[in-house]
Amino acid sequence: GAGVSQSPSNKVTEKGKDVELRCDPISGHTALYWYRQSLGQGLEFLIYFQGNSAPDKSGLPSDRFSAERTGGSVSTLTIQRTQQEDSAVYLCASSYRPGTGGGRFNEQFFGPGTRLTVL
Amino acid sequence: QQQVKQSPQSLIVQKGGISIINCAYENTAFDYFPWYQQFPGKGPALLIAIRPDVSEKKEGRFTISFNKSAKQFSLHIMDSQPGDSATYFCAASRTGAGSYQLTFGKGTKLSVIP
Repeated sequence: GAGVSQSPSNKVTEKGKDVELRCDPISGHTALYWYRQSLGQGLEFLIYFQGNSAPDKSGLPSDRFSAERTGGSVSTLTIQRTQQEDSAVYLCASSYRPGTGGGRFNEQFFGPGTRLTVL
Repeated sequence: QQQVKQSPQSLIVQKGGISIINCAYENTAFDYFPWYQQFPGKGPALLIAIRPDVSEKKEGRFTISFNKSAKQFSLHIMDSQPGDSATYFCAASRTGAGSYQLTFGKGTKLSVIP
């Protein structure tokens, strides 16, 4: 079946502009994660959604970052007033409800990412 | 505070050799330790994972060794092939509550030369 898809694949924006990044998770996956991958920094957790529960926003680096998930499926990550340090690859991952077992425990399936460049 | 430390940063191995990547963690609440493989332009993909109730897990040419007392775990790739050339990330998470978010190491770029 289809994997996690993200759009756009690349985004170039000017400092101070707002950007929206989209994630389409695997059908049937109730958990959705956003991570940020900066050069030489590995992957950094941003936010987590599970069903209709309140999201875990503990990884968002500032209040310029927000995310929402509509209808328990598609998610949008919004970065307001972008800064050059926001340049990174933004990765979305989805999984079955964590801890529900079956298959590979808590396997998170990643999309190809959106490469954001802030000039 | 870097909760998962990974080494080496890069690794070059001859075809047929053994690739070894090491990770150390600080948070004793972590109880799930996956390794992810990432090819250029792609998202990471789960390679193999281990829970702390076992000291070793093997899947094909890939083995995780886990030392709970030392808070260390490692990935061994036997008979390394050029197709294994990729960036490898170790990770850790706390299960049973919360978001199961993954805390990643900074990655190891593996190059397997023919």
